Amino acid sequence: GESVGLHLPTLSVQEGDNSIINCAYSNSASDYFIWYKQESGKGPQFIIDIRSNMDKRQGQRVTVLLNKTVKHLSLQIAATQPGDSAVYFCAENRDGSGNTGKLIFGQGTTLQVKP
Amino acid sequence: GAGVSQSPSNKVTEKGKDVELRCDPISGHTALYWYRQSLGQGLEFLIYFQGNSAPDKSGLPSDRFSAERTGGSVSTLTIQRTQQEDSAVYLCASTYDRFTGELFFGEGSRLTVL
Repeated sequence: GESVGLHLPTLSVQEGDNSIINCAYSNSASDYFIWYKQESGKGPQFIIDIRSNMDKRQGQRVTVLLNKTVKHLSLQIAATQPGDSAVYFCAENRDGSGNTGKLIFGQGTTLQVKP
Repeated sequence: GAGVSQSPSNKVTEKGKDVELRCDPISGHTALYWYRQSLGQGLEFLIYFQGNSAPDKSGLPSDRFSAERTGGSVSTLTIQRTQQEDSAVYLCASTYDRFTGELFFGEGSRLTVL
């Protein structure tokens, strides 16, 4: 069936190391992808997005890579900090009406940063 | 500046009762969304408003769920005859238009149905 999912439920990294969070999607019609961060007790917070006509996009300490051939999305966080500890969700949009905020979310990966 | 505000933050109710959840979006945001997040799960789309109109209600799980938006601002999600499976965190998000996936979420309303 169609799904947006993450490869690992929990990722533990040492402070200062780089983190890579992965996501697989199955619908080749999806053309817009977003990463969100959710801290405990809070709503999700937008991190970065990428459209299907790109394969890489960089933000502040974050990079999103999109591989359409294998339907894979990843979020790289450079020099991971304790404040990066959260649940990370990938989300996709496949709505043909242009309602880009109608998102299908994956199950989430918990990132734990060890001091 | 003020973010998306939701109330109540926590609601405990008995099975069969009606509940109303309120969302105050960021001023000027025309698009408003309701999502539901069950324990340890990802978010599930419920409904989308553009202004006061709801062109997409496809995520509402049953006719017990309804929502409205007035004045292009405040939205209310109503759940009638609540069931235990309605227990979840209900998240509201707003954004400036329908062409972006950069949603600004509130902290959610946690609903527990006993």
